[in-house]
Amino acid sequence: DTGVSQDPRHKITKRGQNVTFRCDPISEHNRLYWYRQTLGQGPEFLTYFQNEAQLEKSRLLSDRFSAERPKGSFSTLEIQRTEQGDSAMYLCASRDSFNYGYTFGSGTRLTVV
Amino acid sequence: QQPVQSPQAVILREGEDAVINCSSSKALYSVHWYRQKHGEAPVFLMILLKGGEQKGHDKISASFNEKKQQSSLYLTASQLSYSGTYFCGTPWGDGGSQGNLIFGKGTKLSVKP
Repeated sequence: DTGVSQDPRHKITKRGQNVTFRCDPISEHNRLYWYRQTLGQGPEFLTYFQNEAQLEKSRLLSDRFSAERPKGSFSTLEIQRTEQGDSAMYLCASRDSFNYGYTFGSGTRLTVV
Repeated sequence: QQPVQSPQAVILREGEDAVINCSSSKALYSVHWYRQKHGEAPVFLMILLKGGEQKGHDKISASFNEKKQQSSLYLTASQLSYSGTYFCGTPWGDGGSQGNLIFGKGTKLSVKP
């Protein structure tokens, strides 16, 4: 059990560029979550996968955001045409049951300049 | 709806006690508590389930009042390592849909020597 891994740790991009983040959950966990966190706020839900199925998606997730979890293993979150408002920490978490807590990854800090 | 946490911030001396509250406007089936240190990912502390008992480990415990739709986190004889921001998280949907959590805005706890 190596925990939840996220890559990259930091990303600086110019406005209008596309970015993709990767999350590798704990291998036994079939539930995977993406959250976004800005300074001084709690994590904000983006989307949720159970195995490879994307079961829930926040209304905050505009059509510029897309997430996948092929084969129910790692997941990617892509942001197209980035905007300055997308600057945030993007957190991935996983768990194997509703009665257990999340294990969060260290996050990817995105800065849009 | 986002759970409401109080207080927003608290400063303690080592050895003092603190209580952090989390309340929701809707029926709760479970409450999660996490601690996040500056620059790090949130770390799961405990989950309280509807009908379950008060939980705790070491000198951190929590209660869950289903009727009042609130939970409280108790930190006893605080240590410097308790410093951080504490978040409660509650399930997004109704009892049958607990895919993701909504987090409160957090309570910043600072323990001074």
